[in-house]
Amino acid sequence: AQRVTQPEKLLSVFKGAPVELKCNYSYSGSPELFWYVQYSRQRLQLLLRHISRESIKGFTADLNKGETSFHLKKPFAQEEDSAMYYCALRGNNFNKFYFGSGTKLNVKP
Amino acid sequence: DGGITQSPKYLFRKEGQNVTLSCEQNLNHDAMYWYRQDPGQGLRLIYYSQIVNDFQKGDIAEGYSVSREKKESFPLTVTSAQKNPTAFYLCASKGTGAYEQYFGPGTRLTVT
Repeated sequence: AQRVTQPEKLLSVFKGAPVELKCNYSYSGSPELFWYVQYSRQRLQLLLRHISRESIKGFTADLNKGETSFHLKKPFAQEEDSAMYYCALRGNNFNKFYFGSGTKLNVKP
Repeated sequence: DGGITQSPKYLFRKEGQNVTLSCEQNLNHDAMYWYRQDPGQGLRLIYYSQIVNDFQKGDIAEGYSVSREKKESFPLTVTSAQKNPTAFYLCASKGTGAYEQYFGPGTRLTVT
């Protein structure tokens, strides 16, 4: 069965520190992985997608098929990065997505 | 913002009453979704529709119903059979062949 696991409910770091939000998945085929972000009082929005291999707002995420992981990383966290982050998976049904439970990132000054 | 709207922002109902949440989009998207967002549980898929007059159950469809009579609209009815209806409900849409879902602002439903 498809499953997305985000083990950390809350992650607190100081400004300028590196941050890594963990995401593990289980899927029998070749999934497509995404990170979505929800800033305070804003809508949930796409942050990045594994296929594009981009760096968005300094964040990167690499799909590790061996470890079935898609961790989100940023070398130097900023206060404006404080938000709720969701990892999501899309499988063979291109219209169906599975979301993790979310990690709240708190970047302290 | 804009593009996908949900109304109302807050909704209060008495237990035993059905309630319908509105979701409208003007993005010409074929696919539309309803998710339920609870603290610590993330987003759970209730129903989704890939095209007009068609919809599929998600992981937690029990106690909910939907319709998709128009491309722009995907209303969700929370019935009295839903055991724990108090939650934050998110609607989303996606274009055909696209990968990005666009989310609405959400409706917070409180049932007492």
